Amino acid sequence: GQQLNQSPQSMFIQEGEDVSMNCTSSSIFNTWLWYKQDPGEGPVLLIALYKAGELTSNGRLTAQFGITRKDSFLNISASIPSDVGIYFCAGRGAQKLVFGQGTRLTINP
Amino acid sequence: GAVVSQHPSRVICKSGTSVKIECRSLDFQATTMFWYRQFPKQSLMLMATSNEGSKATYEQGVEKDKFLINHASLTLSTLTVTSAHPEDSSFYICSASSAQETQYFGPGTRLLVL
Repeated sequence: GQQLNQSPQSMFIQEGEDVSMNCTSSSIFNTWLWYKQDPGEGPVLLIALYKAGELTSNGRLTAQFGITRKDSFLNISASIPSDVGIYFCAGRGAQKLVFGQGTRLTINP
Repeated sequence: GAVVSQHPSRVICKSGTSVKIECRSLDFQATTMFWYRQFPKQSLMLMATSNEGSKATYEQGVEKDKFLINHASLTLSTLTVTSAHPEDSSFYICSASSAQETQYFGPGTRLLVL
């Protein structure tokens, strides 16, 4: 099925560093969403973006909906150990979500 | 955010048996529920979309006779894996949304078919 191009696939950083990941698509989406998934759990919604150009923050997380509606990025500032996990972007068209391949974040203390 | 539960969280069954997984929206009415499958180290792949009171819409390549979906109420959807085989072993996740709103995911059900 269709997937978004999410990068990087994995990141290994030191605690306290900032993190940036992004998603691109050949299709336009009306909504961009960012989820975090811990091992053995379902995805948890972090940020939802509804308008092109929208920049939204949730604590240390900041995400933007690209002007072209074909891309989005997620930044995490001052990473902490509990940020470890897999981050997924998702684009929503009419009803269904299309997911990126995920970015696996590992943090060295 | 909204709360979605799944039951069971883990199930082990013998090859050839059927397994039912429940998905419930606990604090909102879900007009639409979605079922995903996730293999290790891979992304979520949509299996089917289920609107309350209607037949589910299956994604290409997903056998509707093998993965039976029922969405009889605004708070409950079930996925039944019929005649399960080892290749059906996976992590099954449901999500629920109301009226084009954001999807909220359940905690997942890990199925192991021996």
